[in-house]
Amino acid sequence: NAGVMQNPRHLVRRRGQEARLRCSPMKGHSHVYWYRQLPEEGLKFMVYLQKENIIDESGMPKERFSAEFPKEGPSILRIQQVVRGDSAAYFCASSPPGSQSYGYTFGSGTRLTVV
Amino acid sequence: AQSVTQLDSQVPVFEEAPVELRCNYSSSVSVYLFWYVQYPNQGLQLLLKYLSGSTLVKGINGFEAEFNKSQTSFHLRKPSVHISDTAEYFCAVTPRNSGNTPLVFGKGTRLSVIA
Repeated sequence: NAGVMQNPRHLVRRRGQEARLRCSPMKGHSHVYWYRQLPEEGLKFMVYLQKENIIDESGMPKERFSAEFPKEGPSILRIQQVVRGDSAAYFCASSPPGSQSYGYTFGSGTRLTVV
Repeated sequence: AQSVTQLDSQVPVFEEAPVELRCNYSSSVSVYLFWYVQYPNQGLQLLLKYLSGSTLVKGINGFEAEFNKSQTSFHLRKPSVHISDTAEYFCAVTPRNSGNTPLVFGKGTRLSVIA
């Protein structure tokens, strides 16, 4: 049973380009969460999605960032017109439905570097 | 809203010595509490969690944590650390019975085990 799969592991983009980060949750998990990790700042919540729905995007920057979790396929975190400040590790986590006490299963992350 | 404070950003300790990593939380409602470990260039792995019942919970790799409601703390301990325990440790909280409210993480404590 594969865990949470994130790709790519490393992504380099020039300023102004677009970054697409993919996350396939664990089998049987229908809830997906995206977090951003900056040095010395821990993990900051960005967005929580279920299939075809954004449940909570309170941590998502208002501009340039978007997320989706289509009926088929992985969840995508999209960053348009990247800037140097977007350089960070982005982690996806998943959990089964109706199981708040379960905790999350995390992917290995995508490390985005903007040059 | 919930918040988590990890009081120590870095903790160096000699091999086979005991260690305690401190975590305090703030919440106006009852919570579930979690500790995660992150090894270099990897995602987060669940160490242990407190849901209810006994305030002393045991996790993987010989770690344990004690929930103290009056002090709003959930400190992580291990009686004898190994070199392989060198990693970053994150405390996290979510309100109980609130659906799949996203976990709120502390900033992390970097544990360095010295030979």
